[in-house]
Amino acid sequence: QSALTQPPSVSGTPGQRVTMSCSGSRPNIGNNAVNWYQQLPGTAPKLLIFAKHQRPSGVPERFSGSESGTSASLAISGLQSEDEAEYYCAAWDDSLNAYVFGTGTKVTVL
Amino acid sequence: EVRLVESGGGLVKPGGSLRLSCAASGFTFSSYTMNWVRQAPGKGLEWVSSISSSGSDIDYVDSVKGRFTISRDNAKSSLFLQMNGLSAEDTAVYYCARRAYCGADCYLYYYYYMDVWGKGTTVTVSS
Repeated sequence: QSALTQPPSVSGTPGQRVTMSCSGSRPNIGNNAVNWYQQLPGTAPKLLIFAKHQRPSGVPERFSGSESGTSASLAISGLQSEDEAEYYCAAWDDSLNAYVFGTGTKVTVL
Repeated sequence: EVRLVESGGGLVKPGGSLRLSCAASGFTFSSYTMNWVRQAPGKGLEWVSSISSSGSDIDYVDSVKGRFTISRDNAKSSLFLQMNGLSAEDTAVYYCARRAYCGADCYLYYYYYMDVWGKGTTVTVSS
């Protein structure tokens, strides 16, 4: 059972804004910064957002992260077909002494 | 170019052993904490283990403690995962991933994220 819970799927049409949640607890999101990873079909994960809302070089501005208490959210503004992927939140968990990933959210572009 | 290349995966019988390797290039390997992350078929990501830049600090997920051993050879820019007592539940793609540079603050886990990933190597445990 994952320490971080995400909705299994979200969908939207091109150009739409979609959001996905990541629910945790004090030992993980409550104490440590959330990060987000994108995994395109058949490929390795890629860092998308780090330290709650920072984007690595090359990540489009349409991806944004936020955090409040023990929950976090990832938003994609202006959804594009190439955004179809699985998205995972993650953070260190002080209680488990382990890095924990969310259950993953599959984004479908209709 | 910063690069991580995993190798050593394959088919192994239950109870068997396998040693994974990860060759790093394009960065100062000895300055970074490294991780293994796995993904079972059709499932999500699971962090397996991490090792500090010097090799002195090591962590494992509970499910592999006592069976898996992470190690590194900084002279050869290589990361390893020795896996013993394998079971079907260990079947997965295993990724090598670099923790973003943390310098003298690596003992702090507030900012813990993986900025470089390899393409993975597949481990299948089956009789």
